Amino acid sequence: DMKVTQMPRYLIKRMGENVLLECGQDMSHETMYWYRQDPGLGLQLIYISYDVDSNSEGDIPKGYRVSRKKREHFSLILDSAKTNQTSVYFCASSSGTGTLYFGSGTRLTVL
Amino acid sequence: GDSVTQTEGLVTLTKGLPVMLNCTYQTTYSPFLFWYVQHLNEAPKLLLKSSTDNKRTEHQGFYATLHKSSSSFHLQKSSVQLSDSALYFCALRDGGSNAKLTFGKGTKLSVKS
Repeated sequence: DMKVTQMPRYLIKRMGENVLLECGQDMSHETMYWYRQDPGLGLQLIYISYDVDSNSEGDIPKGYRVSRKKREHFSLILDSAKTNQTSVYFCASSSGTGTLYFGSGTRLTVL
Repeated sequence: GDSVTQTEGLVTLTKGLPVMLNCTYQTTYSPFLFWYVQHLNEAPKLLLKSSTDNKRTEHQGFYATLHKSSSSFHLQKSSVQLSDSALYFCALRDGGSNAKLTFGKGTKLSVKS
């Protein structure tokens, strides 16, 4: 069963705290993504990873970093979270055909 | 860079009526277009995709045709149902890619009884 799993589903943090969002996939896909979704703005690409330790900035990388040490696992890190990083974050994976499989999302609130 | 434009933010229709959601794109490479659908509090999922010019692609009653001459990939359905209420995203992957997908801002379709 093809699955992308995100943890946690909901997260509340205070401004200045560090945030770790985790994502796993069981399809051995090489390519993984982190997007954020805000009302009226659609899905904005934060980072893309082509394989282990092969990461590339997306359209809005500022304030974020990523880590991919295993093919099935891709983490998004917010060092010193800001209130404008309140959003819904989606992880996705792809076999390279362009079809993305999304996780259920993490709703992050930064107070 | 690549871009995708969805002109309608919200479309409200009565069930049984036809719908067309607009999508135009800009890219310097050969395009591969996608429609993703996101129901409330769910993840986006693929609805349909195409890279073939002037060929209609269909799935779950929805259909779209990629027209490279007008850089368009409009989503249509002949008769909407209440269950079609969702957020619809058009997305572009360019042929020269690095696997990056560029999404439009989305169109919310609200179907009323």
